[in-house]
Amino acid sequence: QVQLVESGGGVVQPGSSLRLSCAASGFTFSSYVMHWVRQAPGKGLDWVAVILHDGINKYYADSVQGRFTISRDNSKNTLYLQMNSLRVEDTAVYYCTKDWRSGPHYTAYFDSWGQGTLVTVSS
Amino acid sequence: EIVLTQSPATLSLSPGERATLSCRASQNVSIYLAWYQQIPGQAPRLLIYDASNRATGIPARFSGSGSGTDFSLTISSLEPDDFAVYHCQQRAKWFTFGPGTKVDMK
Repeated sequence: QVQLVESGGGVVQPGSSLRLSCAASGFTFSSYVMHWVRQAPGKGLDWVAVILHDGINKYYADSVQGRFTISRDNSKNTLYLQMNSLRVEDTAVYYCTKDWRSGPHYTAYFDSWGQGTLVTVSS
Repeated sequence: EIVLTQSPATLSLSPGERATLSCRASQNVSIYLAWYQQIPGQAPRLLIYDASNRATGIPARFSGSGSGTDFSLTISSLEPDDFAVYHCQQRAKWFTFGPGTKVDMK
């Protein structure tokens, strides 16, 4: 079955960088659009970024544009999120999610989620 | 940005009762709306997509309806595992989520 396993979270100071990884298995990773979605403690869900199956086209929420970079390595079945210039308001559990349908376009319905990795930005 | 508003914030019901949750969009999202269930400490689970289609493996007691700006999720008869937070999400113009409705046990 589909498995998504995030890693790389931790406690960092404002202005720091962190790279999250998501190891995927149980499906043809290279055929699916992938997203990062985050959830601040006690808050709702917040879409962060999307990368199309070929790794070329990427889109970001305004709140992270210019600071975060999404990427993927289809040979390693792994999704990444490079986070630079971290802010206190970036504190959240970050989920790796799989788009619902395979193909070159996103549906932006998230049918599989990892367990999440907690990023805490604090001085 | 399309803002989603969910009501009520909390719904207190007993097992076996019917739950009706509402999601209202600030702009027309057509049918491009999904519902997710999140049990505390767990990742969300896709229940409904395109307003009324159940995702794979989702029991028939979950149903969605609506279009445009007004949507609802109905759980016909609550089971113990259904007490959770429910989020709506639109994909008509980028992707945003509502704040969630908590269904707790009375």
